[in-house]
Amino acid sequence: AQSVTQLDSQVPVFEEAPVELRCNYSSSVSVYLFWYVQYPNQGLQLLLKYLSGSTLVKGINGFEAEFNKSQTSFHLRKPSVHISDTAEYFCAVSESEKLTFGTGTRLTIIP
Amino acid sequence: DAMVIQNPRYQVTQFGKPVTLSCSQTLNHNVMYWYQQKSSQAPKLLFHYYDKDFNNEADTPDNFQSRRPNTSFCFLDIRSPGLGDAAMYLCATSYATGGADTQYFGPGTRLTVL
Repeated sequence: AQSVTQLDSQVPVFEEAPVELRCNYSSSVSVYLFWYVQYPNQGLQLLLKYLSGSTLVKGINGFEAEFNKSQTSFHLRKPSVHISDTAEYFCAVSESEKLTFGTGTRLTIIP
Repeated sequence: DAMVIQNPRYQVTQFGKPVTLSCSQTLNHNVMYWYQQKSSQAPKLLFHYYDKDFNNEADTPDNFQSRRPNTSFCFLDIRSPGLGDAAMYLCATSYATGGADTQYFGPGTRLTVL
């Protein structure tokens, strides 16, 4: 069975500083990996996804993530955060038709 | 803009009183999903439809039912809501299953059970 672990439930970061949100997954087969963002009182929006090919994936709003098969990780990064990045970030894995989410990381930007 | 719409955004019901949540989509996607998201938790898949084919998750309580009368609409029925059913309910769509497709989410309906 597939599962996702997001090691940090909350990450405070100063504005314009870099950030990394960690995600590890477990699966017995090849997977697809996703990062979704949830702004307050809104649904989830896709940031980026890894299906195959280049292990460095670029997404919207300046975010990128790197797929590391040997470490079963898919960490999300941004070189310089803004106040508008304050949100909940969910990593997710899909083996077939089912998307399994991690418990989320709340990113708080400190002015 | 093509989108996923959920109504209402906020729903208050009484313990044991049936409630229906609504989802519609203008994306013309084949698959529609219902997730339950409790406070500070991950969204949990309840069930999904591929066209008219209904797929229930094994651990979804019988208290939760769903209907998809046409491609655009999908409903979540909670027959006898309990206090533990208070949550955000998210509807999502995708063009196909298979895992690689992006799921597009609506804004959610926050259910309060009194």
